[in-house]
Amino acid sequence: DTGVSQDPRHKITKRGQNVTFRCDPISEHNRLYWYRQTLGQGPEFLTYFQNEAQLEKSRLLSDRFSAERPKGSFSTLEIQRTEQGDSAMYLCASSLVDESTDTQYFGPGTRLTVL
Amino acid sequence: GNSVTQMEGPVTLSEEAFLTINCTYTATGYPSLFWYVQYPGEGLQLLLKATKADDKGSNKGFEATYRKETTSFHLEKGSVQVSDSAVYFCALRSSGGYNKLIFGAGTRLAVHP
Repeated sequence: DTGVSQDPRHKITKRGQNVTFRCDPISEHNRLYWYRQTLGQGPEFLTYFQNEAQLEKSRLLSDRFSAERPKGSFSTLEIQRTEQGDSAMYLCASSLVDESTDTQYFGPGTRLTVL
Repeated sequence: GNSVTQMEGPVTLSEEAFLTINCTYTATGYPSLFWYVQYPGEGLQLLLKATKADDKGSNKGFEATYRKETTSFHLEKGSVQVSDSAVYFCALRSSGGYNKLIFGAGTRLAVHP
């Protein structure tokens, strides 16, 4: 089973450091999404790509956050100058745009702790 | 704006009890509706979905019916098991080409033997 994979699963960093997360979507899925989930809340949308094009970004995505999907396959999410408020679970999902309901399948997430 | 409201948890039930988790939504147009489940230590998994009014999604004994007149998508199961203990999230995807999912806050279910 080649589901959505994310790396690393856990990241502990000090405030002010930069971190980068990777997401590998389900093979042939052309849409890729990033969400953030804080404790006790549902996931909140950050951004999404169709192939390599970033089509939508949330206002939650400050200028310290940048996401790329350079070849339309895997994606990276970078957070610069991390703050304690960035501590959360970062989720990646993928979908196939041809599917009638565009169902999103989620990876296991990367848990970020900023000290 | 679009939003999803779920009943607050935790919901605590004995095994074989009947489960209802309420979910209501606010959205323009005709959204698609989803229930996702998150088991302890695992990622979100799609449980069921419905794409138009009066559709019933079902999976693993769970059901939910898309009720446009009451803007609801309540999750039900006739007889819960200990293995159903998890956090359940209701979500919508709005119509009109907007692809992001909007989630409720989640409802934790604990089933005891």
